[in-house]
Amino acid sequence: GENVEQHPSTLSVQEGDSAVIKCTYSDSASNYFPWYKQELGKRPQLIIDIRSNVGEKKDQRIAVTLNKTAKHFSLHITETQPEDSAVYFCAASTWDSSYKLIFGSGTRLLVRP
Amino acid sequence: NAGVTQTPKFQVLKTGQSMTLQCAQDMNHEYMSWYRQDPGMGLRLIHYSVGAGITDQGEVPNGYNVSRSTTEDFPLRLLSAAPSQTSVYFCASSYYSGAKETQYFGPGTRLLVL
Repeated sequence: GENVEQHPSTLSVQEGDSAVIKCTYSDSASNYFPWYKQELGKRPQLIIDIRSNVGEKKDQRIAVTLNKTAKHFSLHITETQPEDSAVYFCAASTWDSSYKLIFGSGTRLLVRP
Repeated sequence: NAGVTQTPKFQVLKTGQSMTLQCAQDMNHEYMSWYRQDPGMGLRLIHYSVGAGITDQGEVPNGYNVSRSTTEDFPLRLLSAAPSQTSVYFCASSYYSGAKETQYFGPGTRLLVL
């Protein structure tokens, strides 16, 4: 079955700097890759997703890139702000089976003011 | 729309007790899933359903049962609680329209098994 590895487990950046979180997946059949943000004590919230038919997707300060050949995808946050501090999870599934996501172990991002 | 709701918010059980975690959604979503979240391990899929009367196992199904008698409800049953089942449980519902899919999570149930 699918296995998703996520790095780093913790990331501390200065406000205004960029943050990059990387994930690798094992199942070449996976073609849907969402990213979730989870604040302390709250539910995961979808922030951006990408399908394997595109290599990059942007939404304001957030972007996701996908390398199908290498089976890895990354989350890029530019101009980080203290409110970006949270745990971020990557996940993978096939694009018509988002109900059975396989998640990475999470990255705790701390943005220092 | 209330979205995805879960009850209870918090529960303490003794080893060997059984209980049902409730999950309901009012968005008429076809798909529903249960995940557990342990510290440092992300979310792991327990069971999922692709429609009323249809369920299947995820990554970590042992010790849990599910059923889906209606589109709205997807309860998770712990048959005989064990300390290893101490976790935060999230229910999620989703739909697929061909162009877009989104999975909505409920607020979670914190379960402590003593």
